[in-house]
Amino acid sequence: GAVVSQHPSRVICKSGTSVKIECRSLDFQATTMFWYRQFPKKSLMLMATSNEGSKATYEQGVEKDKFLINHASLTLSTLTVTSAHPEDSSFYICSASSSSGYTFGSGTRLTVV
Amino acid sequence: GENVEQHPSTLSVQEGDSAVIKCTYSDSASNYFPWYKQELGKRPQLIIDIRSNVGEKKDQRIAVTLNKTAKHFSLHITETQPEDSAVYFCAASPSGGSNYKLTFGKGTLLTVNP
Repeated sequence: GAVVSQHPSRVICKSGTSVKIECRSLDFQATTMFWYRQFPKKSLMLMATSNEGSKATYEQGVEKDKFLINHASLTLSTLTVTSAHPEDSSFYICSASSSSGYTFGSGTRLTVV
Repeated sequence: GENVEQHPSTLSVQEGDSAVIKCTYSDSASNYFPWYKQELGKRPQLIIDIRSNVGEKKDQRIAVTLNKTAKHFSLHITETQPEDSAVYFCAASPSGGSNYKLTFGKGTLLTVNP
């Protein structure tokens, strides 16, 4: 089945620094990647939709200059959290659609100290 | 946009009992309704899905029903086991398997007591 590999699984960074999260589709081409954020005991909130070769579409309330998304190829999409603050600490997870439906990455636990 | 409501937020059952989780959606254009199981710190795992041209789908102990007229769909788990304990999310999309976004319900924490 379709597999999405997400790295890193956990990251701790200092306030003010930037963190990059990668999602790769391993055995299929992901023309669209969805990026979600999940707070503890909460649902998945869509942050943005990235399409290969074009600008990402951000959901209302999501700062596009803070959460930079790049989808330069059909197999790689990245989310960069810029100038991270403690309130950015969360579980970030990507998802791509394929013939098998929606496939999720394993998630990244970001802790900003 | 789409709005998905999910109930209950928590559900506790005895092993062997059945569990039912219900969701409603607002967008009549939605036609793909997956259910995900998520264990703590892990990715959501698809457990069953249904498309709008079908009213019911079953896979062993898990079944999903869909009422398009009323815009609601439900997950039924029979003969529950402790390993069924997890958070379950329903979702809706205008078209599953393509590039349309999923809108998730708020989740149901299911606890199966031995």
